[in-house]
Amino acid sequence: GEDVEQSLFLSVREGDSSVINCTYTDSSSTYLYWYKQEPGAGLQLLTYIFSNMDMKQDQRLTVLLNKKDKHLSLRIADTQTGDSAIYFCAESQPQGNTPLVFGKGTRLSVIA
Amino acid sequence: DAGVTQSPTHLIKTRGQQVTLRCSPISGHKSVSWYQQVLGQGPQFIFQYYEKEERGRGNFPDRFSARQFPNYSSELNVNALLLGDSALYLCASSPTGWRGEKLFFGSGTQLSVL
Repeated sequence: GEDVEQSLFLSVREGDSSVINCTYTDSSSTYLYWYKQEPGAGLQLLTYIFSNMDMKQDQRLTVLLNKKDKHLSLRIADTQTGDSAIYFCAESQPQGNTPLVFGKGTRLSVIA
Repeated sequence: DAGVTQSPTHLIKTRGQQVTLRCSPISGHKSVSWYQQVLGQGPQFIFQYYEKEERGRGNFPDRFSARQFPNYSSELNVNALLLGDSALYLCASSPTGWRGEKLFFGSGTQLSVL
């Protein structure tokens, strides 16, 4: 199957860490991505990880990949109100018609 | 450098009409993909083009068609519009359309069908 699953909502306090989780189904997926969508806007690529990596850090963002469980997470350190948005997990599958398969998105609300 | 640009930003149509959406990729990018995002859902793949050739097609009816021009810009056409076609239509570009490439998205065209 091509399902990418995410929890729909997450609420955190400003300054805390946020952890957004995602599970994917295609074990042959090569790249896994996190995109951010603010209200009324398109998708902004935040970060990505290659499938042979376990972790990638980029400033406040940390991506963890557990290939055995097909689990991907995005940690945002020191979450700010400007981080409030919908976060999409996406997988790039080497086979099949669809170049990028997205989850339904996790809506992150940051409380001041 | 300009990012992916889409036009128009908003569009209102009635059922049965036809619509054309336009996309200009990032300079140097030769591949364009189209996605449909219904409210509350993740984007769904519609088409991918590379060098004017269709490289992939998602599970959408034949009312949806697209093309890519020599300057790598692209148009998405939807005929016989249905209420369910109301969505944000996103265009993305990448250098070659290779599966592992990052996709860069435009801000989208919000289509409302009444």
